[in-house]
Amino acid sequence: RKEVEQDPGPFNVPEGATVAFNCTYSNSASQSFFWYRQDCRKEPKLLMSVYSSGNEDGRFTAQLNRASQYISLLIRDSKLSDSATYLCVVVSGGYNKLIFGAGTRLAVHP
Amino acid sequence: GAGVSQSPSNKVTEKGKDVELRCDPISGHTALYWYRQSLGQGLEFLIYFQGNSAPDKSGLPSDRFSAERTGGSVSTLTIQRTQQEDSAVYLCASSPEGDRPLGGANVLTFGAGSRLTVL
Repeated sequence: RKEVEQDPGPFNVPEGATVAFNCTYSNSASQSFFWYRQDCRKEPKLLMSVYSSGNEDGRFTAQLNRASQYISLLIRDSKLSDSATYLCVVVSGGYNKLIFGAGTRLAVHP
Repeated sequence: GAGVSQSPSNKVTEKGKDVELRCDPISGHTALYWYRQSLGQGLEFLIYFQGNSAPDKSGLPSDRFSAERTGGSVSTLTIQRTQQEDSAVYLCASSPEGDRPLGGANVLTFGAGSRLTVL
């Protein structure tokens, strides 16, 4: 079983739609969680951290459920520019070992 | 520098040749990571440096792969006797601190990657 699992998609949604991505992780000792965004043929960039209480950044909301070892990302009012691959990232180990999921691809169409 | 620099950006080599990939992290960043991303795949962890030492080399696929970091700065990833399955984008990232769990302020900044093609 992979340490971090994501639905690969693709998710094809119209502009303005709300879309949710899920991610599960296997190491219950994992300490920190992030969502990164990767545009086609570009390097990953941090989208947002994920806090236990849940957190919001504009149209983006991240949730963490430690009991279920589950992370989610909700995007409201999708824009064309949101089209990208969204990578779930889990920090495990005694230091900052970041484990990346394989990513969920989002395509927003007019 | 302002960002993480990687070179070469593209490398085409013949099977069996050795290649060296270079990473110049953000100045002052103590932690440095190498990842590999094959076409359409996620990021595969290779190795992590804290300063010049590598506490975790567990991701290196075989003994053909090695990496070093000198002066707490530049890192080189070397692949000996390249194979076609080594073809991928090799991504380097750095962060300010590596000896405690990351908080919201300590995130990885990636370079643009080195695209390796082994013919």
